Amino acid sequence: GAVVSQHPSRVICKSGTSVKIECRSLDFQATTMFWYRQFPKQSLMLMATSNEGSKATYEQGVEKDKFLINHASLTLSTLTVTSAHPEDSSFYICSARAGGATNEKLFFGSGTQLSVL
Amino acid sequence: KQEVTQIPAALSVPEGENLVLNCSFTDSAIYNLQWFRQDPGKGLTSLLLIQSSQREQTSGRLNASLDKSSGRSTLYIAASQPGDSATYLCAVYNQGGKLIFGQGTELSVKP
Repeated sequence: GAVVSQHPSRVICKSGTSVKIECRSLDFQATTMFWYRQFPKQSLMLMATSNEGSKATYEQGVEKDKFLINHASLTLSTLTVTSAHPEDSSFYICSARAGGATNEKLFFGSGTQLSVL
Repeated sequence: KQEVTQIPAALSVPEGENLVLNCSFTDSAIYNLQWFRQDPGKGLTSLLLIQSSQREQTSGRLNASLDKSSGRSTLYIAASQPGDSATYLCAVYNQGGKLIFGQGTELSVKP
């Protein structure tokens, strides 16, 4: 199956700093990528939809200036958590869709555990 | 707005037992439904994908069913093993290709 690589797997940072998370599709071109956040013992909540070459579409309640998403190529999307605070500590996970059809199967990265001190 | 609910939230069974995990969704206009496994602190492992035109999918000891009209899906695990211990997530593909997750069932299989 298709492989999605997410990096870093774990990051600890001080409050106020910015953190960048990368999501790469290794063996396919991903026209659409999705970013999710998961708090402990809770399910994955969709944050935003990232389309190559265009602005990301954010879900209701997600601050676009706080969570910057860039999808500059067909194999790379990045999520930058700007001016991170302890409440941003969470598990972030990306997924990618290989084809253009909306019912194409999604492939997931291994996730990034962010801890803000 | 699509909502996905999983019951039970947690389940503990002895090794060897057969078990059923339940998933329900409020909007039957889905494309596909997918079951995932998540180990603590890890990403997702896809288990089974059921297309909207299908009724069930099987892989090894796993069998997933889908009843779109009633908004339900079940994941059946046969002869459970301690290695099956994980959180199982149900997710539906909505129009627009978004994947909406349930809150998961935390399964513990005791040796």
